[in-house]
Amino acid sequence: NAGVMQNPRHLVRRRGQEARLRCSPMKGHSHVYWYRQLPEEGLKFMVYLQKENIIDESGMPKERFSAEFPKEGPSILRIQQVVRGDSAAYFCASSPRGLAGGNEQFFGPGTRLTVL
Amino acid sequence: AQKITQTQPGMFVQEKEAVTLDCTYDTSDPSYGLFWYKQPSSGEMIFLIYQGSYDQQNATEGRYSLNFQKARKSANLVISASQLGDSAMYFCAMSSHTGNQFYFGTGTSLTVIP
Repeated sequence: NAGVMQNPRHLVRRRGQEARLRCSPMKGHSHVYWYRQLPEEGLKFMVYLQKENIIDESGMPKERFSAEFPKEGPSILRIQQVVRGDSAAYFCASSPRGLAGGNEQFFGPGTRLTVL
Repeated sequence: AQKITQTQPGMFVQEKEAVTLDCTYDTSDPSYGLFWYKQPSSGEMIFLIYQGSYDQQNATEGRYSLNFQKARKSANLVISASQLGDSAMYFCAMSSHTGNQFYFGTGTSLTVIP
């Protein structure tokens, strides 16, 4: 059973371009979480999605960031008009159920975004 | 609002010794989960141990144990018999009552000295 897959592993964009980060959850997992880790910091929750639905996006910046988890295909985190401050590692995690009750989430290897 | 605090930016421990990594939290949720993750230099996040807020006993997983003191709102990680491969960043985290959100501390960098 393959783990959570994220691609690309490394992404370089110039200011003003768009970044698309993809996350394929583990087989059978319908819950996806996105996190951002700035250099020398812990992970910050961004958004929680189930298939075709955004459950909680309280950690997402109000502008330029969006996420989706379509019925078919990977979850996508999209950053429009990137700025240097968007440079970070973006982690995706998946879970077969929600995290209430201590259900574990499984992390992908992360995508390291560098904005020039 | 939920908050996780790790006050030790860096820790050193001698190989084969035990080490305690501190974590305190703040929440108004009636129930919650507490987690520890390890992040080696390669960057992946590795789940170590989980403690539920209603669990009566402290969680243990091999060389890892969680010293849960609910009244003090602390969830310290104890690593026994440290190994060189334990050198990594360690993050304490908490899930909200609904499980919809997850909060991480700022991490502790552990270095095991041979």
